[in-house]
Amino acid sequence: SYELTQTLSVSVSPGQTAFITCSGHGLENKYTCWFHQKPGQSPVLVIYQDNRRPSGIPERFSGSNSGNTATLTISGTQTMDEGDYYCQAWDNNAVIFGGGTKLTVL
Amino acid sequence: EAQLVESGGGLVQPGGSLRLSCAAFGFTFSSYEMNWVRQAPGKGLEWVSYISSSGLIYYAESVKGRFTISRDNAKNSLYLQMNNLRAEDTALYYCVRDRLVPDMWGQGTMVTV
Repeated sequence: SYELTQTLSVSVSPGQTAFITCSGHGLENKYTCWFHQKPGQSPVLVIYQDNRRPSGIPERFSGSNSGNTATLTISGTQTMDEGDYYCQAWDNNAVIFGGGTKLTVL
Repeated sequence: EAQLVESGGGLVQPGGSLRLSCAAFGFTFSSYEMNWVRQAPGKGLEWVSYISSSGLIYYAESVKGRFTISRDNAKNSLYLQMNNLRAEDTALYYCVRDRLVPDMWGQGTMVTV
């Protein structure tokens, strides 16, 4: 079955750029979404269709998808950006989630 | 305000059944594809099932044959009938609007087996 692989954790200082990656075979041929989840809260969509930002999501969030890797980039990371990030794609009539990346801003 | 509100979770014995509901408010429910996604305590997100606006249905292998997704567009509601529940089904269950732009999640309803 199809798998999406994410780095377990990423740490950045406030104001730096955070890169969170998601790898899967032929991922560039699938649309990828990214979700941000804070403890005790429901996930929030931050990127859809590889690089589109929903209304209300800050411009510092951007996405790309090339080859076997999709990347979520957070420019000028803020402490409010801490939490878990999940990538998601569709494969063979099933939704696949990555295992999640814990972003720490310190 | 557009939102999704899940209900129906609870404590159930292994082998038991539960029916989850998701009520949709503030948007044209019948036009949207819907999903159920779950999250076990301290774990990541796991997709459970999908239903299109016209009734096309898909399931994760882990629940196929035990769970049934359905919708009632007249009642603006999504359902998940869960039978033969197992300990590994313990999770917070979310309903999620849309497939290409999954921008609306409910607050979740907890199922403990």
